[in-house]
Amino acid sequence: DGGITQSPKYLFRKEGQNVTLSCEQNLNHDAMYWYRQDPGQGLRLIYYSQIVNDFQKGDIAEGYSVSREKKESFPLTVTSAQKNPTAFYLCASSEDSSGYTFGSGTRLTVV
Amino acid sequence: AQKVTQAQTEISVVEKEDVTLDCVYETRDTTYYLFWYKQPPSGELVFLIRRNSFDEQNEISGRYSWNFQKSTSSFNFTITASQVVDSAVYFCALSEVTTDSWGKLQFGAGTQVVVTP
Repeated sequence: DGGITQSPKYLFRKEGQNVTLSCEQNLNHDAMYWYRQDPGQGLRLIYYSQIVNDFQKGDIAEGYSVSREKKESFPLTVTSAQKNPTAFYLCASSEDSSGYTFGSGTRLTVV
Repeated sequence: AQKVTQAQTEISVVEKEDVTLDCVYETRDTTYYLFWYKQPPSGELVFLIRRNSFDEQNEISGRYSWNFQKSTSSFNFTITASQVVDSAVYFCALSEVTTDSWGKLQFGAGTQVVVTP
């Protein structure tokens, strides 16, 4: 079945460490997105990529980095520069603006 | 820039009451899509409905109904005869089609719906 796989489901990171969240899709979608959700808040866009080898900053890109070397993969690195990384991270993909497929999310906790 | 406003932070109702969630949006694009998603405690987003900017026909699907009015830039969602299983956070979202940021799905802050027996 086609879909998006995010891994891991839960992730713990020590302060000062970089960590990479995985997002893979087999839907052949051109566009992929990363969102962050804090408790009691909406989803804020971190980065998005409309095509392979290209990506754009979203509303809260500081402290994050991404790459889009393959159509099916859009990993997100949370760097040590991100001051408050504890959050729920959702990845999504789309063929165009009319429909989106979301992963099941990764809960990142800084310990 | 696109913007979605959900002014209601939380709505609490007793089972079988109706619930209406408000959504107001801003966009300069003439072609766009509006969405409603449900997020249960598990965190996954559940797609409920999509409307494009050219289709103002309101829709009813079971206990759910939607009211799209371009004149007031609103896309409201109603749950009729609410049930405990409707307890979740509901998000309204907007995506533009013809701007450079096409595909960028902008979410509102969400409305927590609490249905008690």
